[in-house]
Amino acid sequence: QKEVEQDPGPLSVPEGAIVSLNCTYSNSAFQYFMWYRQYSRKGPELLMYTYSSGNKEDGRFTAQVDKSSKYISLFIRDSQPSDSATYLCAMRSNFGNEKLTFGTGTRLTIIP
Amino acid sequence: GAVVSQHPSRVICKSGTSVKIECRSLDFQATTMFWYRQFPKQSLMLMATSNEGSKATYEQGVEKDKFLINHASLTLSTLTVTSAHPEDSSFYICSAMGGETQYFGPGTRLLVL
Repeated sequence: QKEVEQDPGPLSVPEGAIVSLNCTYSNSAFQYFMWYRQYSRKGPELLMYTYSSGNKEDGRFTAQVDKSSKYISLFIRDSQPSDSATYLCAMRSNFGNEKLTFGTGTRLTIIP
Repeated sequence: GAVVSQHPSRVICKSGTSVKIECRSLDFQATTMFWYRQFPKQSLMLMATSNEGSKATYEQGVEKDKFLINHASLTLSTLTVTSAHPEDSSFYICSAMGGETQYFGPGTRLLVL
C-alpha cells in the first residue's frame, strides 16, 4: 500500500462545475498538506498549504484536511479551462527540511 | 509567492558529455533544496536533498557519482549529470525550502542523443 493514494483520473468536467480532488494517506505523522498544480512540461506550482486539520480558502480554491480520516480534499469552484492541469497532493511529517510524499497526481480537464 | 528559477530550461547533448543545471531561489534564501526527476505522466521522483555547505543526501538507487550536486550558497544549487547517456533523458525539477513548504522551479528538459 502506498503512503499516499490519489485517483489518477483522468477527470473531465464542464466549465463552471465544482471539482473535487482527493487524497488518502496512511502515515498519521503527516502534519503539513499541500496541493500543487502542474501544467504540461512545467514545474509544480503551489496552490494551497494547510497545517493539521481544518479548511483553508483562497479565491476559487478550498483545501480541507481531516486527519481523523486521513483524507484531504481540494475543491475548485467555477472551474475554468485554465484549471486544466495535473493536481498533486503532497504532505510531510514535521517542520524542518522534511521530504515531501506525493500522490500520483490527478489529470483534470475542464471542457469549455 | 516565492520564486525559483532553473537554467537552462532545455538542453540537448551528445552521449558522454556532462550537463550542469542551475537552481536559484530568487527572492528568498534556502538552506535546503531538492532535486527531482519526472518521467512522462508520472509523479515526481526525489533524487537528492541538497543542503547549503554540506554534502547532498541521495535517495536509494541514485548514483551520487553520476548526479553531482553542489549547494554553494543559500540561493544556488547545481546538478551536474556526468557522462550523460540516453537513459538520463528526462525532466529534472528542483525545489527550494521556503518557510514550511517547497517551491518548485520550472524544470529542465534534458535530451541525450
